[in-house]
Amino acid sequence: AQSVAQPEDQVNVAEGNPLTVKCTYSVSGNPYLFWYVQYPNRGLQFLLKYITGDNLVKGSYGFEAEFNKSQTSFHLKKPSALVSDSALYFCAVSPRGGGGNKLTFGTGTQLKVEL
Amino acid sequence: EAQVTQNPRYLITVTGKKLTVTCSQNMNHEYMSWYRQDPGLGLRQIYYSMNVEVTDKGDVPEGYKVSRKEKRNFPLILESPSPNQTSLYFCASSSQGVEAFFGQGTRLTVV
Repeated sequence: AQSVAQPEDQVNVAEGNPLTVKCTYSVSGNPYLFWYVQYPNRGLQFLLKYITGDNLVKGSYGFEAEFNKSQTSFHLKKPSALVSDSALYFCAVSPRGGGGNKLTFGTGTQLKVEL
Repeated sequence: EAQVTQNPRYLITVTGKKLTVTCSQNMNHEYMSWYRQDPGLGLRQIYYSMNVEVTDKGDVPEGYKVSRKEKRNFPLILESPSPNQTSLYFCASSSQGVEAFFGQGTRLTVV
């Protein structure tokens, strides 16, 4: 069975500082990995994905994530946080091929960026 | 505009009264799924569909039904809702290797 762990319920960071939201996963074979963001009273918005190729993936709003196969991690990063980045972030994994594109989500990390 | 549309956005109902939450996508995606979001639990998959007339259980299917008679529609049916089904529900659609698109959510309260 596939699973995703987001070890931090909340991450606090000052505006202008770098941020990291952690994610580790467990899945058979090589995975598809995703990050989504949820703003209050909104649906989930796609940020970025790793399918294959370069381990450093760049996505929307200046976010990036690094796929580390040996550590089975896919941490989300941003060099300089903005107050507007404050939201709930979800990491998700999907097995390659088959599985109905079944996405398994982590429990989410609340990011709070303060002035 | 590519989108997944859920209705209704908010619903308050009583225990045992059958309800349907509709979901429609305009991207010709073959995969569609339903999730529920609960505090501290993240999103959990209820049911998914790989194509028309092909559905399968997700992680928390008890108390729910789905159907996929057309590619674009994937309704979620609660035959006899109970208070433990009070939650925020999301529909999503995708293609293989493509990110999932989510609807705006349906906040269901069962009293």
